[in-house]
Amino acid sequence: QKEVEQNSGPLSVPEGAIASLNCTYSDRGSQSFFWYRQYSGKSPELIMFIYSNGDKEDGRFTAQLNKASQYVSLLIRDSQPSDSATYLCAVNTSGRGGSNYKLTFGKGTLLTVNP
Amino acid sequence: DAMVIQNPRYQVTQFGKPVTLSCSQTLNHNVMYWYQQKSSQAPKLLFHYYDKDFNNEADTPDNFQSRRPNTSFCFLDIRSPGLGDAAMYLCATSPRQGLARVQYFGPGTRLTVT
Repeated sequence: QKEVEQNSGPLSVPEGAIASLNCTYSDRGSQSFFWYRQYSGKSPELIMFIYSNGDKEDGRFTAQLNKASQYVSLLIRDSQPSDSATYLCAVNTSGRGGSNYKLTFGKGTLLTVNP
Repeated sequence: DAMVIQNPRYQVTQFGKPVTLSCSQTLNHNVMYWYQQKSSQAPKLLFHYYDKDFNNEADTPDNFQSRRPNTSFCFLDIRSPGLGDAAMYLCATSPRQGLARVQYFGPGTRLTVT
């Protein structure tokens, strides 16, 4: 069974610090990796995606991918209280046809940024 | 702005009373998804449409049905809601092209079963 694992947290960091969120996945055929932010009671919002090994930066966010280790992470620099949310890691499943369009989600990591 | 719209945002139904949730999109995406998400859990895929091709997850209860009359609209029908079906229902869309297979979510419908 294809799985995506995240530390459920809560992860608590002070304002201005770097928050590091981690995710591992079991399907070696996975090609695309996503980070979504979900505020309580709201729907997931895409932060960024990555599909090549290495780092991808977008503003205060950096996604890191290591396919050999089946590991993807999200770094949030200069964390703000407004970053407090659950962060969902999602992995594109491998497969033919329609199954190639499915994502497997982790349960999410709750991040709290303290003022 | 192009977007994914879900109606209603909040739905209260009685045990066993059929309910329909709707999703519409202006993104012209080929793929549409329905997820169920309960508190502190990952979104759980119920089914998805690749154009008009319907793909049901193996563990989706028969109580859940879906219709996609055209590219823009998709419906989730719950034929006989039980207390365990209370959840947030999320609609998402994805373009057919592109390596990333990004999914864009609507605001969700919060379903309460009394």
